[in-house]
Amino acid sequence: QKEVEQNSGPLSVPEGAIASLNCTYSDRGSQSFFWYRQYSGKSPELIMFIYSNGDKEDGRFTAQLNKASQYVSLLIRDSQPSDSATYLCATEGQGGSEKLVFGKGTKLTVNP
Amino acid sequence: NAGVMQNPRHLVRRRGQEARLRCSPMKGHSHVYWYRQLPEEGLKFMVYLQKENIIDESGMPKERFSAEFPKEGPSILRIQQVVRGDSAAYFCASSPQGRPLKQYFGPGTRLTVT
Repeated sequence: QKEVEQNSGPLSVPEGAIASLNCTYSDRGSQSFFWYRQYSGKSPELIMFIYSNGDKEDGRFTAQLNKASQYVSLLIRDSQPSDSATYLCATEGQGGSEKLVFGKGTKLTVNP
Repeated sequence: NAGVMQNPRHLVRRRGQEARLRCSPMKGHSHVYWYRQLPEEGLKFMVYLQKENIIDESGMPKERFSAEFPKEGPSILRIQQVVRGDSAAYFCASSPQGRPLKQYFGPGTRLTVT
């Protein structure tokens, strides 16, 4: 059974700092990884995906993938209070399945 | 450009009643997925459908739960004889064909069983 693990937090950072969110996964065959942001009481919103080793940047967000170590991370630069949310890491199901397997999420609080 | 639509947004049912949750995918998307999120737990996959076909129902409870995506109309997740443990947020997601699996979520239906 494929698993995705995240530190549940909460993670608290001051405004303007870099927030670092981490995720590990159990299946070496995993190809693609996704970061979703979920505000309290709302639905998950796709913010980044990555499938190649290395870094992928989009605005203030950088996703990092290290397949050898089986971890994926999300960096948020210049954190804003509006970034306060739960961040969910996901990968596709085993054997090329089209379902997504999610971690339990890391709750981030950015303090003004 | 409408996103994924779900209704109702909130649904209250008494134990033993039936719950019907509807989902219309994003325009141009042919793949629909249902997920459940219990309080303090992560999102769990339930079922993946394409038009008139259930592709993967490995996450569906064996009893009382069913799903369909007819040729015309929205996808429906049906829960018969609801119990208190069914209280959760049910999210529908849709994606276009192909990889990577970029799934976009609807606003969800919050089901409360009293």
